[in-house]
Formats: sequence, structure tokens, C-alpha cells
Amino acid sequence: DVKVTQSSRYLVKRTGEKVFLECVQDMDHENMFWYRQDPGLGLRLIYFSYDVKMKEKGDIPEGYSVSREKKERFSLILESASTNQTSMYLCASSTQSQNTEAFFGQGTRLTVV
Amino acid sequence: GDSVTQMEGPVTLSEEAFLTINCTYTATGYPSLFWYVQYPGEGLQLLLKATKADDKGSNKGFEATYRKETTSFHLEKGSVQVSDSAVYFCALFNTNAGKSTFGDGTTLTVKP
Repeated sequence: DVKVTQSSRYLVKRTGEKVFLECVQDMDHENMFWYRQDPGLGLRLIYFSYDVKMKEKGDIPEGYSVSREKKERFSLILESASTNQTSMYLCASSTQSQNTEAFFGQGTRLTVV
Repeated sequence: GDSVTQMEGPVTLSEEAFLTINCTYTATGYPSLFWYVQYPGEGLQLLLKATKADDKGSNKGFEATYRKETTSFHLEKGSVQVSDSAVYFCALFNTNAGKSTFGDGTTLTVKP
């Protein structure tokens, strides 16, 4: 089975802290994605990557950056956490085929206080 | 850009009732279409998919047909169970964009 693992289920951080959310997939997928999920707003794409060291901005990249040094790992970085970044963060991976689905991690619920 | 519009929730049904969740999309080219389900406290998982016009995806009693003429992919189930209570997301993947586009999700609650 494909597995996408996010490093933490729950995280509490202080305003201004630098926060790292880690995601690892074990199926050699080319594409990896970071979303945030908020009530009433659905899933919003933050960043995605289709290859090592490649990154593309999604719909809401402001306040975030990403790193993909290895194919299996995609990190989301909050440079200076703010309370409006309190959210559920979901990582996903997929092949580059249009016909295959995305596989999601279990999510990280981040609270910034 | 691409977009997915799905029926607003929440939806509350009694066990064994018929379920329809509407989904329409706007996209360039020929996207693949998906329904994902999210159970409480978990990430999304694939429920079913269809990769070309007139394809029918099905799984666990759920069905959806890719209708290119109406740009729709409505989710249906003939008899829902309490265990079907979850959030359902309609999505498309467009090779041109290299990414998926999701609807806002529809929360389904099934009461015994």
C-alpha cells in the first residue's frame, strides 16, 4: 500500500516561530503537494513539486516555503508562524499520470498561539 | 483556471436513504475526475474515479458517471449507512495544470 506519512498529527507553536512540517512517501511518486484545509474553504493548494528541487506556487503560497531535496520527502516551512496559519495541513503525492489519484497523509493540525 | 463546484452541505439523511451529491466542473482539455472521502480525523482517500467521458466509477456502493456534455460527476448511493458519514470531495486532475482542483467538500451525516 502507498503510504504518505506526516511527521506530526498535532502541533502547537508560538507566533513568530519557524515551523517545519515534514512529509514522506514510499511509492517513488514524482508529484508532491501541500494543502491546507479550513472549514468552509475546502482544500487550498499551497505549493507543489513535480521533481526533486523543483517547486511551484499553488493558490495561497504567501507565508510559506517548501523544500524537496529528496524525491520521497517534501517539507513545508512557515518562516514566521502567525495565528492565521492555524489550520489542518495535508500532504499528498501522486504519479505524473493524469489517471491516477493522489494519496494523502493523515494530516497535521497546527495551532499557532 | 480549473474549478469544481459541489453541492453545499451539510447533508443529513436517514439510514437506507438515497444519496446524491452534485458536482460540476470547468476545465480545459480532458481532465480525470475523482471523488475522495475524508473520515473524521483522517486524510482524504480515493472513493472512485473516471478518466474519460461516459466512464462510470464505482466503489462500496457509490457510483458517479463522467458526463462531458453537462460537465458533471454526481455521486450517488442507493442506500446509505451510518458508516458513510464523512466529508466527500469532488476533484479533477488536469495534466495541463499538473495539479488537482478540489471542490469545497460536502459533509454527510447518516442517522440510524
